[in-house]
Amino acid sequence: EVRLVEAGGGLVQPGGSLKLSCGASGFTFSNYWMSWVRQTPGKGLEWVANIKKDGSEKYYVDSVMGRFTISRDNAKNSLYLQMDRLRAEDTAMYYCATMTAQFDYWGQGTPVTVSS
Amino acid sequence: QSALTQPASVSGSPGQSITISCTGISSDVGSYNLVSWYQQHPGKAPKLIIYEVTKRPSGVSSRFSGSKSDNTASLTISGLQAEDEADYYCCSYTGTYSWVFGGGTKLTVL
Repeated sequence: EVRLVEAGGGLVQPGGSLKLSCGASGFTFSNYWMSWVRQTPGKGLEWVANIKKDGSEKYYVDSVMGRFTISRDNAKNSLYLQMDRLRAEDTAMYYCATMTAQFDYWGQGTPVTVSS
Repeated sequence: QSALTQPASVSGSPGQSITISCTGISSDVGSYNLVSWYQQHPGKAPKLIIYEVTKRPSGVSSRFSGSKSDNTASLTISGLQAEDEADYYCCSYTGTYSWVFGGGTKLTVL
């Protein structure tokens, strides 16, 4: 059974940093592209970033480009999202997901609140 | 990249069929047969129910079906059941390993 477990969310001040993690099990992690998708109460789902199987390619939505960094450690079956210079509009539930041509499996999410 | 356009809400009675539309532009929905749909119950993670416009993952009921015409994709749920009450989101590939979601549709089973 595919299992994705996110961690690392919390309350952070504007301009601050946070690093999310996602532990994977039940499948061969290194065989899959992975993604982060976030959900805000008012704006629904938003794709945030993707990373290739070996970590050699990364793609971001424009609104986080230059502030967020996606990475992975295939030896640890883990995905990460380093979030810097956080803004109020980054407040959301953050999900990790496996990705082929769609988001096949999702974790339960970790909440991030950016507020002073 | 603007979000795909979905109706905010739809409703139907048990046993009926409903259709949720998802309108994009020529460079996303209109260009790729990579439209997917997700079902989300309150407090739960989204679940993939349709991919590549018309395909259903293993274990998803055949009551769910998808289609596409030009820049608009559609999700049809036939034989509505109480457990179908949820939020539904469409998603399309937009090129260069990027994706865009719709704003979501709340389905109410009357």
